[in-house]
Amino acid sequence: TQLLEQSPQFLSIQEGENLTVYCNSSSVFSSLQWYRQEPGEGPVLLVTVVTGGEVKKLKRLTFQFGDARKDSSLHITAAQPGDTGLYLCAGDSGYALNFGKGTSLLVTP
Amino acid sequence: DAGVIQSPRHEVTEMGQEVTLRCKPISGHDYLFWYRQTMMRGLELLIYFNNNVPIDDSGMPEDRFSAKMPNASFSTLKIQPSEPRDSAVYFCASSRGGSSSYEQYFGPGTRLTVT
Repeated sequence: TQLLEQSPQFLSIQEGENLTVYCNSSSVFSSLQWYRQEPGEGPVLLVTVVTGGEVKKLKRLTFQFGDARKDSSLHITAAQPGDTGLYLCAGDSGYALNFGKGTSLLVTP
Repeated sequence: DAGVIQSPRHEVTEMGQEVTLRCKPISGHDYLFWYRQTMMRGLELLIYFNNNVPIDDSGMPEDRFSAKMPNASFSTLKIQPSEPRDSAVYFCASSRGGSSSYEQYFGPGTRLTVT
């Protein structure tokens, strides 16, 4: 099993602040996905990054895949309470996904 | 589309009892995945099916766990006998394909508590 380490584990910030969360592994992945999970619900896919160095933007969220395809980051600009949730990264290991344990983000008004 | 449907949403049972979790995938999706989520271990893949056939069950923790997919629209995950350490949220997900080129759609989960 290819391990994905996410940091920080917990993050509590105020509305309007910027933040970055990280997903790191010693293994190379063909692609990496980011999910957001809200309380009482299943994870929902935000983005898939495939190419080393790739940057994708989704409104105020910016995702980057490391050049060596071993790590990824998620940057949120001007966080809002609606961004609250558990952010999970998942690496593609063939037909299955290996998930990190996630970063739990709380954005307070 | 109603999305992936799971039942029950919550299950509380006593140690030693049999528990059956149910999943209806999205119509047309050929892959079905069962995951377990805990604070300690995060989201773990238990087993997945392709066209109703189990492909990889290496994540199933032990023989007390079994999963079936009798047809394209229904799958079950059974625990017999259940133990307190099985307490977790169990998710079912489906997708059109098996690689990350295809999005996995998750159900709302079943929160299992074994006392």
